[in-house]
Parts: sequence; C-alpha cells; structure tokens
Amino acid sequence: GEDVEQSLFLSVREGDSSVINCTYTDSSSTYLYWYKQEPGAGLQLLTYIFSNMDMKQDQRLTVLLNKKDKHLSLRIADTQTGDSAIYFCAESMGGKLIFGQGTELSVKP
Amino acid sequence: GAVVSQHPSRVICKSGTSVKIECRSLDFQATTMFWYRQFPKQSLMLMATSNEGSKATYEQGVEKDKFLINHASLTLSTLTVTSAHPEDSSFYICSAREDRKNEQFFGPGTRLTVL
Repeated sequence: GEDVEQSLFLSVREGDSSVINCTYTDSSSTYLYWYKQEPGAGLQLLTYIFSNMDMKQDQRLTVLLNKKDKHLSLRIADTQTGDSAIYFCAESMGGKLIFGQGTELSVKP
Repeated sequence: GAVVSQHPSRVICKSGTSVKIECRSLDFQATTMFWYRQFPKQSLMLMATSNEGSKATYEQGVEKDKFLINHASLTLSTLTVTSAHPEDSSFYICSAREDRKNEQFFGPGTRLTVL
C-alpha cells in the first residue's frame, strides 16, 4: 500500500523540543521529506533525508530515519511559537510524493 | 529562486460554472507539474501529473473530464474545474518539479468555493 501515517496533534511549550513521528510503507523510497504548512498557505520544504542516511541535522531540525522499522522523525529544538503549523512527512514513489495526514503542532507560550 | 505561483489565490463561483487555475514556475523550467487537492485538516491528495506537451496522468478516482489539465509550456500548467459543484470546494495546490534538480516546489494554493 501507499500509506504514510502520522499522529494528528502535538502540543508543546515554547522552548521545549518537539518530536513528530511518521511511518511509511515503501522501503524503496529514495528520499523522505518533511514539509511545513502554515494556515491557508502552500507547503514549504523543511528538510529531506536520503534513504541511506540514519540522521540529518540542519540547525534546529534533526531528522532520524530507521529504515528497518520504516520510521521517520523530525525533532525541532527550542520550539518557538512561529513553529506552530502542520507538518507533513512524505515519501517519494515513482516520482510522486505520497503525504501523511499531517501533524498539527501547537506551541504554547 | 525556485518560486511557484498560483492564480487566483481565491475564487468563489456559482454552481455549474467552470474555473481555471494557473500554476507557473517563475524562474525555472518544469516539464512535470503536479496538482493536489486538500480538504480542511486533511492531507494533500495527488489528483494528476501534468507533463508538458502530452496528456496528464490522472490518479485513480479523479475524473479527467471534470478536471481538465493543460501544460502548454515549460513554465505553465492550468487546471480547469468544469461545471463546478459545491463538493468541488477545496484547496488546490500545484507543485513544479525543476528539470535540472528533480526537486519539487509548491505553489501557495488556490482556495475554491463553489456556491
């Protein structure tokens, strides 16, 4: 199947770390992506990881990939109120992107 | 660089009319563009893959006669929702895959409301 699954909601306090989890099904996906969507807007690519990597760090963002379990996570360090948005993971399959349902991150001051 | 625009950003129309949405890659060429539909609080569902100079490839369950796609140049794809009905109301997002980099860039979306 082509299921990419995420938990729907996450609430954290400003300054804490946020961890958003995702599971995917296609072990042949070459790239896995994290996108951010603010209300009423399109998608912004945050980061991506190549399937032969275990971890990728980019400033406050850390992506972990467990290929055996087909599990992907996005950690946001020192979460700010401006990080409040919906976060989508996506896997590439045959040139197409298959998206998860999105995780709504709420950051409380 | 790598900006994708959509026009209009919002459109309200009456039932039975047709609406055209444009997707443009502003500073790169895109042989392939994608059209997605997003319902409130839900994920993006791929509707079709648009290829410059050839027919679009539609996903299962998407009516090609209802959602007409034209990709006449390397920087422009259009989606026409024909004979729109209230159930077609949604957020439509396009993306363009940059030919040189094979990376997709997303437009800001078009909010369609059919009365």
